[in-house]
Amino acid sequence: SQTIHQWPATLVQPVGSPLSLECTVEGTSNPNLYWYRQAAGRGLQLLFYSVGIGQISSEVPQNLSASRPQDRQFILSSKKLLLSDSGFYLCAFRLGTYEQYFGPGTRLTVT
Amino acid sequence: AQSVSQHNHHVILSEAASLELGCNYSYGGTVNLFWYVQYPGQHLQLLLKYFSGDPLVKGIKGFEAEFIKSKFSFNLRKPSVQWSDTAEYFCAVNALTGGGNKLTFGTGTQLKVEL
Repeated sequence: SQTIHQWPATLVQPVGSPLSLECTVEGTSNPNLYWYRQAAGRGLQLLFYSVGIGQISSEVPQNLSASRPQDRQFILSSKKLLLSDSGFYLCAFRLGTYEQYFGPGTRLTVT
Repeated sequence: AQSVSQHNHHVILSEAASLELGCNYSYGGTVNLFWYVQYPGQHLQLLLKYFSGDPLVKGIKGFEAEFIKSKFSFNLRKPSVQWSDTAEYFCAVNALTGGGNKLTFGTGTQLKVEL
């Protein structure tokens, strides 16, 4: 069966510092991969998705970027964090059918 | 672009009460519909899904949802809730154009079940 991992689980970073969040999927190949941000009362906002290595689609222009260096690895990055980047970041994968499966998330606090 | 509306943001019920959470979407084409649940401290997980066929779909833990195409709705129901159903519930829609790559989520409904 497939599993999805995210790390770190929590992160506190100062404004202006860089960010790297990692997501890996096990037990499958060539999944679609997604990054979401979840904010209280606002649901889940799709940030990026990828249908293959090196292929990234950006949904919302902002201070973040994503990369997919390997088939089952998806990275969310920022060169300089803003206070508004604080939030709960979720990674998800999708296989042949249309449902998505979510990781445990990373709670990011920018101070 | 599709959008999803969940009209109930916070719902408080007593155990054994019946539950219905509303979900409406705006998209005129073919869609797949989902309900996800997030229990306190746990992953977001799939509760049920509708792709095609019988518009009444059954999911885990006694939940069901009915797709009414004419109303663009996909309401979630449970005849008798339990304290363990306390969670946040999200409706999501996947438009099948463009490869169906993207889910659009509603803002969520926080359900609290009291003993």
